[in-house]
Amino acid sequence: KNEVEQSPQNLTAQEGEFITINCSYSVGISALHWLQQHPGGGIVSLFMLSSGKKKHGRLIATINIQEKHSSLHITASHPRDSAVYICAVSETSGSRLTFGEGTQLTVNP
Amino acid sequence: DVKVTQSSRYLVKRTGEKVFLECVQDMDHENMFWYRQDPGLGLRLIYFSYDVKMKEKGDIPEGYSVSREKKERFSLILESASTNQTSMYLCASSFFSGTANYGYTFGSGTRLTVV
Repeated sequence: KNEVEQSPQNLTAQEGEFITINCSYSVGISALHWLQQHPGGGIVSLFMLSSGKKKHGRLIATINIQEKHSSLHITASHPRDSAVYICAVSETSGSRLTFGEGTQLTVNP
Repeated sequence: DVKVTQSSRYLVKRTGEKVFLECVQDMDHENMFWYRQDPGLGLRLIYFSYDVKMKEKGDIPEGYSVSREKKERFSLILESASTNQTSMYLCASSFFSGTANYGYTFGSGTRLTVV
């Protein structure tokens, strides 16, 4: 069993839809990260969370430490949101990341 | 903004060649990391470094070495490239103090093909 599991693996949506990507982890963490990777490879850090909720534009990330679960929401999705979204955790007292396998999101116009 | 710069976006090398992948960050971060990314396997840690001249093995160090002579530069070395090292290589840096992690910045990646 992977230490970080994401669902779904693939997600196709129509422009304007509300999107949720889920992440569950099984280890103690100091922080959880949501990352975005566009075709071509570069990774951008969207959020780093240790508790509660963060919002940036149309993106919202939440974390429930007790349940070891996080969600990434995209409101009013747009084709430019199409990318791979990766959940990663930095474990307690460490800084290296453990990654989920990613969610491929495709938003159609 | 922190920038992490990888020297090449695409690289083609021959089996047996010695390959250097360079990574430079401009924000005085202590921590630097090399990952490889493969379809179905996700991102895996090769080596990391918490300070100049320090290095730690990650999950898949075999066939690789690293060098960190200056704080801003972290080099990944494939001593004798093999076809199973064909992959996307990503460098990252972070600032980490005690138990607080101040986030990561990734480079744009180097897609290495070994023929």
